[in-house]
Amino acid sequence: DVKVTQSSRYLVKRTGEKVFLECVQDMDHENMFWYRQDPGLGLRLIYFSYDVKMKEKGDIPEGYSVSREKKERFSLILESASTNQTSMYLCASSFEVQPQHFGDGTRLSIL
Amino acid sequence: KNEVEQSPQNLTAQEGEFITINCSYSVGISALHWLQQHPGGGIVSLFMLSSGKKKHGRLIATINIQEKHSSLHITASHPRDSAVYICAVFPNYGGATNKLIFGTGTLLAVQP
Repeated sequence: DVKVTQSSRYLVKRTGEKVFLECVQDMDHENMFWYRQDPGLGLRLIYFSYDVKMKEKGDIPEGYSVSREKKERFSLILESASTNQTSMYLCASSFEVQPQHFGDGTRLSIL
Repeated sequence: KNEVEQSPQNLTAQEGEFITINCSYSVGISALHWLQQHPGGGIVSLFMLSSGKKKHGRLIATINIQEKHSSLHITASHPRDSAVYICAVFPNYGGATNKLIFGTGTLLAVQP
């Protein structure tokens, strides 16, 4: 079974902090994704990557950056956290145009 | 208007009832995905389909490409089916990058 592991289930940070969310997958998938999920808005794509060191903006990239130095790891970075970035963050990976496999999510609170 | 609309947004059912969740989309697609998210949990894939019908246990998914509509049915519902059900589509524009467009989800509560 594919395993997508997110580094934290719950995280509390302060405004202005630099925040790192880590995601690791174990199936050699080339595609990896970061989403945020908010009530009434569903899942929205922040960034995705289709290869090492390759990244593309999703629908809501403002305030975020990403890093993919190794195929199995995709990091989401909040350069200067703000309260409107309090949300559930979900990582996913996939092979070509196949179903995405999701991690358990990180519930991030910015105080 | 969202490109993927689900109805209803909230659904409460009694154990044993037959449940239907609907998904309509406005873009051309290569496939449609039904996902399940339990409270506090991650998301799991239920079905991916591009035509016809698929069945897995008590779950049935159908799609009508011409009408741009899909339904997810749950037979003999059980409280453990309580979850958010999410419809997502693979649009057939933008190359094979596997970007999904998501509906906002249907929150299902099955009462004993």
